[in-house]
Amino acid sequence: AQTVTQSQPEMSVQEAETVTLSCTYDTSENNYYLFWYKQPPSRQMILVIRQEAYKQQNATENRFSVNFQKAAKSFSLKISDSQLGDTAMYFCAFRKTSGSRLTFGEGTQLTVNP
Amino acid sequence: GAGVSQSPSNKVTEKGKDVELRCDPISGHTALYWYRQSLGQGLEFLIYFQGNSAPDKSGLPSDRFSAERTGGSVSTLTIQRTQQEDSAVYLCASRPSRGTDTQYFGPGTRLTVL
Repeated sequence: AQTVTQSQPEMSVQEAETVTLSCTYDTSENNYYLFWYKQPPSRQMILVIRQEAYKQQNATENRFSVNFQKAAKSFSLKISDSQLGDTAMYFCAFRKTSGSRLTFGEGTQLTVNP
Repeated sequence: GAGVSQSPSNKVTEKGKDVELRCDPISGHTALYWYRQSLGQGLEFLIYFQGNSAPDKSGLPSDRFSAERTGGSVSTLTIQRTQQEDSAVYLCASRPSRGTDTQYFGPGTRLTVL
């Protein structure tokens, strides 16, 4: 079975600064997908970024980028130039290529301070 | 186009009553998922539909929980004889059959069992 661990329950950052959220996972699969989802107070889960395990290049989406270390089973999210609207709960998630369910970490509550 | 919608947004019920939660996926999405998010927790997988069939319902916590999907579209999650530990946010997600493995989430139903 897969497990996803987010060791930082809460983090805060000043507006315009950079913050990194940590995520580690455990799997015996070789091919899989990793995701970061954002959940603001509205409860809507919003996809932030995704990474395919067979791709060595780290995914980037505007101010969001990941540091994917396959051997270490680490998948951290870096948010550059943090904005007040980035305040939300962030979830790391894993999906097997051949499977269908997402396995989520416990989440990290990020607060961006003005 | 329209996203995933769920109804009701909030539901308060008394212990022992049955409840039905509804999910309308994005039009054309063949895969549909139910997850549960208890207070302060990550998301827990409940069941996965491909079309009208459920190849993976291993996450349903007890036989009080059931789900169906009709016409390859709307899904209903039914909880019988609700218990206080059923209180949670129930999230639905859908995914197209090809082109992307990204799951798109609805806003969830917050269930409170008194």
